[in-house]
Amino acid sequence: DGGITQSPKYLFRKEGQNVTLSCEQNLNHDAMYWYRQDPGQGLRLIYYSQIVNDFQKGDIAEGYSVSREKKESFPLTVTSAQKNPTAFYLCASTLDRGDYGYTFGSGTRLTVV
Amino acid sequence: DAKTTQPPSMDCAEGRAANLPCNHSTISGNEYVYWYRQIHSQGPQYIIHGLKNNETNEMASLIITEDRKSSTLILPHATLRDTAVYYCIVRVGGNQGGKLIFGQGTELSVKP
Repeated sequence: DGGITQSPKYLFRKEGQNVTLSCEQNLNHDAMYWYRQDPGQGLRLIYYSQIVNDFQKGDIAEGYSVSREKKESFPLTVTSAQKNPTAFYLCASTLDRGDYGYTFGSGTRLTVV
Repeated sequence: DAKTTQPPSMDCAEGRAANLPCNHSTISGNEYVYWYRQIHSQGPQYIIHGLKNNETNEMASLIITEDRKSSTLILPHATLRDTAVYYCIVRVGGNQGGKLIFGQGTELSVKP
């Protein structure tokens, strides 16, 4: 079955460490997105990519980095520059058309210890 | 992208219809209205979307006003499993459809 897979489901990071969250899709979708969600809040856009080897900053890109070397993969690195990284991270993908919905992964919960 | 406004919370009795309103008064002619829902600690789930006509699928109905400045999501027979946060979002159509910008959503509680 086609879908979008995020791993790991839970991740613990020591302060000062970089960590990378994985997002893979086999839906042949063009565009991929990373969102952050804090408790009781809506989703905020971190980065998005509409085509391989290209990506744009969202509303809260500081302290994060991404790459899009393959159509099916869009990893997110949370760097030590992100001051408050503890959150729930969601990846999504879609065909790059306004009349086509997003498919979301099941999320990664990152905790700084 | 147009902004949406939703009530922060609503209650509904099990078995009754749940009607969730959304205002999108600045919507443009080529922007679609999307509804998603999120159950705690899961990824959002697509429900339905529409441009200007009313839409229905196996999950819900979407009623869009003639001026497209507001819409209502209808869950015809709400169950306890429909308890979730519901997000109304607008997204530009055409190629390079643009980002989904999420607001705070409506927390729907379905009660026995």
